[in-house]
Amino acid sequence: GENVEQHPSTLSVQEGDSAVIKCTYSDSASNYFPWYKQELGKGPQLIIDIRSNVGEKKDQRIAVTLNKTAKHFSLHITETQPEDSAVYFCAASIKARGSTLGRLYFGRGTQLTVWP
Amino acid sequence: KAGVTQTPRYLIKTRGQQVTLSCSPISGHRSVSWYQQTPGQGLQFLFEYFSETQRNKGNFPGRFSGRQFSNSRSEMNVSTLELGDSALYLCASSRGRDRGFIEKLFFGSGTQLSVL
Repeated sequence: GENVEQHPSTLSVQEGDSAVIKCTYSDSASNYFPWYKQELGKGPQLIIDIRSNVGEKKDQRIAVTLNKTAKHFSLHITETQPEDSAVYFCAASIKARGSTLGRLYFGRGTQLTVWP
Repeated sequence: KAGVTQTPRYLIKTRGQQVTLSCSPISGHRSVSWYQQTPGQGLQFLFEYFSETQRNKGNFPGRFSGRQFSNSRSEMNVSTLELGDSALYLCASSRGRDRGFIEKLFFGSGTQLSVL
């Protein structure tokens, strides 16, 4: 199956700085790459996603880039704020063979702390 | 629009018991997936249901089972509980349309199961 690796496991930045989280995947058939933010006591919240036919996507302070050749994708958060502090997960999906639906393979998460 | 609702929020059980967790998807969503989240293993896929049929299954023992009802609500059951089953169990829903790729998954807040 797919193997997703995520780095770093912890990241501390000063408010206003940028944060970058990187993920690699193993299966070239993966075609969907979402990012989730999980705050304490809550479930993962989808913050941005990208499909394999797109190289970059931006939504206000958040952007994701995808390099299919190198099989890696990254989350970029600019002008970080204390409320960005949370655990961030990357994931990859291969549409299951013989099924209309797929599954997500998650990275191990990055604990982002933004200091005021 | 209400999000994914999971009940109960917390559960405490003892080894050998069984447990049933419930999930109500977002209105209009027909696909429900279940994930297990632990500090050691991260987020692991359990199974996925669409139109009352299991479409995908992860690498979990047969003690883990699920079902989906005609209104898309889903339940998962764990029999003969073990200490290692202590985890946050997350339910996610999506529209489930067959568009050739996985659609956006939206997670509930989860059920925190503790096995003593």
